[in-house]
Amino acid sequence: NAGVTQTPKFRILKIGQSMTLQCTQDMNHNYMYWYRQDPGMGLKLIYYSVGAGITDKGEVPNGYNVSRSTTEDFPLRLELAAPSQTSVYFCATAEVFHYEQYFGPGTRLTVT
Amino acid sequence: KNQVEQSPQSLIILEGKNCTLQCNYTVSPFSNLRWYKQDTGRGPVSLTIMTFSENTKSNGRYTATLDADTKQSSLHITASQLSDSASYICVVSPDILTGGGNKLTFGTGTQLKVEL
Repeated sequence: NAGVTQTPKFRILKIGQSMTLQCTQDMNHNYMYWYRQDPGMGLKLIYYSVGAGITDKGEVPNGYNVSRSTTEDFPLRLELAAPSQTSVYFCATAEVFHYEQYFGPGTRLTVT
Repeated sequence: KNQVEQSPQSLIILEGKNCTLQCNYTVSPFSNLRWYKQDTGRGPVSLTIMTFSENTKSNGRYTATLDADTKQSSLHITASQLSDSASYICVVSPDILTGGGNKLTFGTGTQLKVEL
């Protein structure tokens, strides 16, 4: 079992570029989450999903989009990257909504 | 506004010593409180989960306590090891069914360093 995998591990984007952060899980969990973690700050929820085809906004959704076409995959799309989106992004899954979460290794994104 | 505050912000201890990390929260009504360990450059890993009715939960050398009346939790680490060096994050889930909302609240973490 790989658990939760994220790609890429690192990425540098220029302002205005777009990219997709990939998240895949093999735990068969319905609930999936995207967080960002800025230095010295707590994790902030960007989007979450309660199952295939269902997504909802978290605390800081502006500048991001998600889709959930399968149970396994929950990609995060950044359109028109801005320096404020420089952060470490974590994907997580849960078997029970808002209970124990399993995190991926993270993607470190720099926008310059 | 729901908040989770952790103290101290950072801590340095010698290997073999014990330490206690604090978490105060204002989330109400709340469902469960979790402690995570986050190694540098890695994702958080769950250490303990406590519901509002639990007072204590252990996981090896880690013991978490919860006082739902004072809205305080602590994480006690016994006989620290170099591998305990990490950030420890407190997370509180609201009680969705009783109108607590559906947003998790994360603390900013306590950075622990264990030295020889």
